[in-house]
Amino acid sequence: DIQMTQSPSSLSASVGDRVTITCRASQGVNNYLAWFQQKPGKAPKCLIYAASSLQSGVPSKFSGSGSGTDFTLTISSLQPEDFATYYCQQYNSYPLTFGGGTKVEIK
Amino acid sequence: EVQLVESGGGLVQPGGSLRLSCAASGFTFSDHYMDWVRQAPGKGLEWVGRIRNKVNSYSTEYAASVRGRFTISRDDSKNSLYLQMNSLKTEDTAVYYCARRAVTTFYFDYWGQGILVTVSS
Repeated sequence: DIQMTQSPSSLSASVGDRVTITCRASQGVNNYLAWFQQKPGKAPKCLIYAASSLQSGVPSKFSGSGSGTDFTLTISSLQPEDFATYYCQQYNSYPLTFGGGTKVEIK
Repeated sequence: EVQLVESGGGLVQPGGSLRLSCAASGFTFSDHYMDWVRQAPGKGLEWVGRIRNKVNSYSTEYAASVRGRFTISRDDSKNSLYLQMNSLKTEDTAVYYCARRAVTTFYFDYWGQGILVTVSS
C-alpha cells in the first residue's frame, strides 16, 4: 500500500497568510495526486487534481505542485472561508489512500 | 447539476447487516466508475471500494479492512450505487460517502453529502 504522509497535521495562521501543506508518498504516484478541502459536517471538495490542475470553480489562490513522491498545496492568501481540513489522496494504485489531514485554524 | 444522494444509514448491532444506496442524477451514471469512502467520527478519510462500469465488466476493488464483508454493486437502469455491509464491526462506524470518478482524469470530482452508519450494541 502507498502511505501518504501530510505535514503539518495542524497549523494556525492569520487571514492574509500564505500557507503551505506538504504530502509525501511512500512510493511514486505518477502525479495521480489530488487535494481536498473538508469543512465540518460537509463532504470533501476537490481543489487540485493531477498534482497541479485546478478543479473547475476553485479560486486561483489554491495551487498544487510537486511530482514523484513529494507534493505541496499552497494557499496564497488565507481567507476566513479557507479554515478547514485539507487532505491529499493518491489515485495511482489500489488501495487508494489519503493523507492524515491538515487542520488549518485561525491564529 | 450532478447530484449524489446517499440513504440507508442508521444504527445496527455488531454482526448485523446494512445496505446503503446512492442515487445519482445530472450525469450519465453508466459511464463512470463509482466509489465508497468513509470517515470515522473525528478521523480522516478511508477509501472503501470501487465498482467499474459495464465496459469494464462491473469489476470491483476493496480495501483490505472490508474485503469479504462488504459488496459494492450498481444498477445503471436506476442510476444507483449500493454498498451491502455484512458482519459489521464497531470500527465500521463512520459517515459513508459515495463518490464519482471522473472519466478521463480519474480523480473524485463529485461526492455525496454522506450518511452515518453506527455499529453499536
